[in-house]
Amino acid sequence: NAGVTQTPKFQVLKTGQSMTLQCAQDMNHNSMYWYRQDPGMGLRLIYYSASEGTTDKGEVPNGYNVSRLNKREFSLRLESAAPSQTSVYFCASSYNREGGPEKLFFGSGTQLSVL
Amino acid sequence: GNSVTQMEGPVTLSEEAFLTINCTYTATGYPSLFWYVQYPGEGLQLLLKATKADDKGSNKGFEATYRKETTSFHLEKGSVQVSDSAVYFCALPLNSGGYQKVTFGIGTKLQVIP
Repeated sequence: NAGVTQTPKFQVLKTGQSMTLQCAQDMNHNSMYWYRQDPGMGLRLIYYSASEGTTDKGEVPNGYNVSRLNKREFSLRLESAAPSQTSVYFCASSYNREGGPEKLFFGSGTQLSVL
Repeated sequence: GNSVTQMEGPVTLSEEAFLTINCTYTATGYPSLFWYVQYPGEGLQLLLKATKADDKGSNKGFEATYRKETTSFHLEKGSVQVSDSAVYFCALPLNSGGYQKVTFGIGTKLQVIP
């Protein structure tokens, strides 16, 4: 039972460097999400993809881009990393159907430090 | 808009102590309410939920009752174990016509000492 798989688990970047966080789910979920978790602020939604082929901004999208490569994969890219992007990043997925709401399934997170 | 308020903690308890983590919410209508748990080094996972007023969600010895009159969904456990050490998030989910729009509380860290 793989569920939601994120890579890498840890990453250290220098200011201005770029990187892509990878996420894949094997539950045939329609919707996928990227969150960041910061002390005292809980989880904040960066971007989401309601279905394959669509992406939308969440609460804190500045400095990030995303790609929904196919139904399974949803990547998050930092084009020019800044210290303010030091955080723990979580990918999540869910069904999305009539009724609900549905629970989110989370990956184990990526701890990113930007120096 | 919707909001969820919970204490950040940390909450430190001895094993077998009684646990309460308070959660209050602000929302229009009658939302569902969830509790998620995050164990060290892991992502969040759903612990329990309630979908209407007076519902009680329960799982792994934890309980929470949806109280519309006090807009609360407090998490309780009668006797905590070291293995319950984790961060607990109260959440207000909404099926937003295309995705799950979730308002999370800031999370309450629980540390249980032997």
